[in-house]
Amino acid sequence: EVQLVESGGGLVKPGGSLRLSCEASGFTFSNYSMNWVRQAPGKGLEWVSSISSSSSYIYYADSVKGRFTLSRDNAKNSLYLQMNSLRAEDTAVYYCARDGPRECPNGVCYSPWAFDIWGQGTMVTVSS
Amino acid sequence: DIVMTQTPLSSPVTLGQPASISCRSSQSLVHSDGNTYLSWLQQRPGQPPRLLIYKIFNRFSGVPDRFSGSGAGTDFTLKISRVEAEDVGVYYCMQGTQFPRTFGQGTKVEIK
Repeated sequence: EVQLVESGGGLVKPGGSLRLSCEASGFTFSNYSMNWVRQAPGKGLEWVSSISSSSSYIYYADSVKGRFTLSRDNAKNSLYLQMNSLRAEDTAVYYCARDGPRECPNGVCYSPWAFDIWGQGTMVTVSS
Repeated sequence: DIVMTQTPLSSPVTLGQPASISCRSSQSLVHSDGNTYLSWLQQRPGQPPRLLIYKIFNRFSGVPDRFSGSGAGTDFTLKISRVEAEDVGVYYCMQGTQFPRTFGQGTKVEIK
């Protein structure tokens, strides 16, 4: 079964740090770009960060640039989001999402730049 | 950044009747490779989002054929041909043409 499982959320004080993890199973993790998307309580979806399959390209939302660091370990099928200098406005459910579904015409694979597999999310609460 | 604007924000629908959601982008979503990276997601209450449609009109695996996507350039539509009780939730469009990825505000579909 294709699955993403997030962990590492919790309650942290403003200015504190947390490291989120996302463990993938059921697919070849190293073939896919990965993403984090967050959702503040009662609000819509906000893209946070993306990383290419080999970590060559990493992108961040302006709201987290300089504070969050995205990385991956393909040997461990895992994605990480290091979150520093946390603010109240970072309070949200953080979802890990896979780029897909890959299309492979003539043996060459492309991403449709959609998010096809999502984890259940991990809650981050920033409060004193 | 590309701004995604959905209408309506709320859509009360009678069971068995159609529903339609519009999504407009602030600039064309046609990528330099010729593809248009517009997708639709459904989020049922208490659940993570689920991909319904990608690249405008391609249904994701397991998505019922009552869901369809259409559009081009900056104007896109998600249609549900006959709303069922399990379709209640919030629907989002998302553009993957450029970074930052951006979502519409969401459209809440509920049963009248």
